[in-house]
This record gives sequence, structure tokens and C-alpha cells, in this order.
Amino acid sequence: QQQVKQSPQSLIVQKGGISIINCAYENTAFDYFPWYQQFPGKGPALLIAIRPDVSEKKEGRFTISFNKSAKQFSLHIMDSQPGDSATYFCAASGNAGKSTFGDGTTLTVKP
Amino acid sequence: EAQVTQNPRYLITVTGKKLTVTCSQNMNHEYMSWYRQDPGLGLRQIYYSMNVEVTDKGDVPEGYKVSRKEKRNFPLILESPSPNQTSLYFCASSLGTGPGEQFFGPGTRLTVL
Repeated sequence: QQQVKQSPQSLIVQKGGISIINCAYENTAFDYFPWYQQFPGKGPALLIAIRPDVSEKKEGRFTISFNKSAKQFSLHIMDSQPGDSATYFCAASGNAGKSTFGDGTTLTVKP
Repeated sequence: EAQVTQNPRYLITVTGKKLTVTCSQNMNHEYMSWYRQDPGLGLRQIYYSMNVEVTDKGDVPEGYKVSRKEKRNFPLILESPSPNQTSLYFCASSLGTGPGEQFFGPGTRLTVL
């Protein structure tokens, strides 16, 4: 049973465009929703995270939109740059120790 | 430098030969966890530890063991590795007793022949 579904699997965007990655979760006990960025040969690194008491969080060019009633959250990358080309993972966790990740999205930003 | 270290980074072994992948963090983090990453399957949690002496199963614990005798170390043990455990393994740690913001190690690429 996959508790976090991520889409699309891959995404190609032109430089300066907007990249949008979506995730949906099932477990209403989740209360922390991070996005991780992973470059080839490296471990994932936290990009931005949100808790369900807010609907949006912005950090620079990166924004999380959160829809609690729909159990969905998304990552928006504004003014996408070639350096943003990486694999992005959404995740969800609660008070218990489990952490569930989406399958990942490979983003390619073309110059 | 604050970091999570894993050893070895690369390992090729044969079916049934016991192995241990070490993980150590120098940030005084309470929470530690192991994940495996396979193409198209994202990161799947193997085991986690909310604090010293407390460990619990993640989503894919079969064939793995862990121990948390010290706060900084969280080794992953494969008693009898099989080819389906060929994967990229990541250790992660977090400040609190829950996952929260996790800091990941550089990964260990394991091949079981």
C-alpha cells in the first residue's frame, strides 16, 4: 500500500519556466510534509517543508502548496534553472517514527 | 563539519555472506533511520530508531537487522544477503525523536551476487 503518490515521474521544463510536482497522501495522521532534492551520487537534502496548519510556504523560488481537505501537496519551482535539474522526493511523517517517501520526480531544466 | 557518514560506500558481496554497513552522525541527533533506494521506487524505510535502545520496523524490514547501542551509531546488518537486497542504501538522522528534517549520508551501493 503506497501511502504517498507522486507525479509526474519525469518533467522537462525550459529555463525560466515553472516546475510543478504533485503528491497525494492517505494517512491523516501525517503532520510533516517535506520535499527533498537529490543530485546524482549524493544523498537527498531537505529543500522545504510544511505542516498542515498552513496552506502555503515559500522560500525563495520554491513554494509548497498544501490542501489538507484533498490530502494533496505540491512543489512549485519558479524561474527554473539548469542547476535545479535533480530528482525531487516528497515525503510525509507523523508522531510515530515512520517516514514515507514518494517515488521521485526527475526534473530536467533545459537551457 | 556536521555530517552523517556511512561505510563502506561501495560493496560487492556474495549471497549468504554476512555484512554490516556502518552509520555514524556527529550532530547529537536522537532519530536515525535506514532507507533503500531502488529505481522507480523512491526511498523505502527499512528500520528507524527514535532514540538509543529503541528501534522499530519500517516498511521493508525483512532480511535486515539494526542496533542502536550508542546515540551516534546505527549499523545495518544483513545476516544472509540475497540478490534482491542489491540496492543503494541511505542512513539519515534527525534532531528530534521523529523523522522531521532528516540529514542523509552519502549512500552505500551494495551489490549481492
